[in-house]
Amino acid sequence: QSVLTQPPSVSGAPGQRVTISCTGSSSNIGAGYDVHWYQQLPGTAPKLLIYGNSNRPSGVPDRFSGSKSGTSASLAISGLQAEDEADYYCQSYDSSLRDVVFGGGTKLTVL
Amino acid sequence: QVQLQESGPGLVKPSETLSLTCTVSGYSISSGYYWGWIRQPPGKGLEWIGSIYHSGSTYYNPSLKSRVTISVDTSKNQFSLKLSSVTAADTAVYYCALVPGGIVDSWFDPWGQGTLVTVSS
Repeated sequence: QSVLTQPPSVSGAPGQRVTISCTGSSSNIGAGYDVHWYQQLPGTAPKLLIYGNSNRPSGVPDRFSGSKSGTSASLAISGLQAEDEADYYCQSYDSSLRDVVFGGGTKLTVL
Repeated sequence: QVQLQESGPGLVKPSETLSLTCTVSGYSISSGYYWGWIRQPPGKGLEWIGSIYHSGSTYYNPSLKSRVTISVDTSKNQFSLKLSSVTAADTAVYYCALVPGGIVDSWFDPWGQGTLVTVSS
């Protein structure tokens, strides 16, 4: 059971927009700690997609965007492409656990 | 650019100690930053193991703290992970990564390619 809750799967057709939620609590996201997002393509290491809630590292397309509100955060992917099919993870810090925490991951399927 | 590469045995016996090394290229560890270990059991999600500052200060996942030791060797530009008393539950792909911002509000980037460690007799 992950401290940060993500939907196990989401799907969308090419060109569509999908969002992936990451729900936490008052000791992590709700306490103001930043949320970061990673993309993990099959058989590869995770790659940083969004840091500090909404910042994109250089090289990440602007089709990917992040937001945070209250005890939740979201990753939005617009203009879906087949190459976006991957697992996506959110990450934050929990002050009660004194632990860096990850969401359970969401598998994105491009129909 | 910074690159990280994990190395170590791919098979460890139950109750023994898992030992991995992460070699950093493109950046001198002694110049700064935190460096971390993360693992991923087959088919499962990510779990932070711990992080170390270039000066040697360490921060561990509370659930693993009693079994984990992370150390740094600036002369070799490497940092290492030791996990004692392993069981099958420790079977995972182990990743090392750069932690740019510290412990609390930081992220992991870049990551090494990962190395699979299987615990089995």
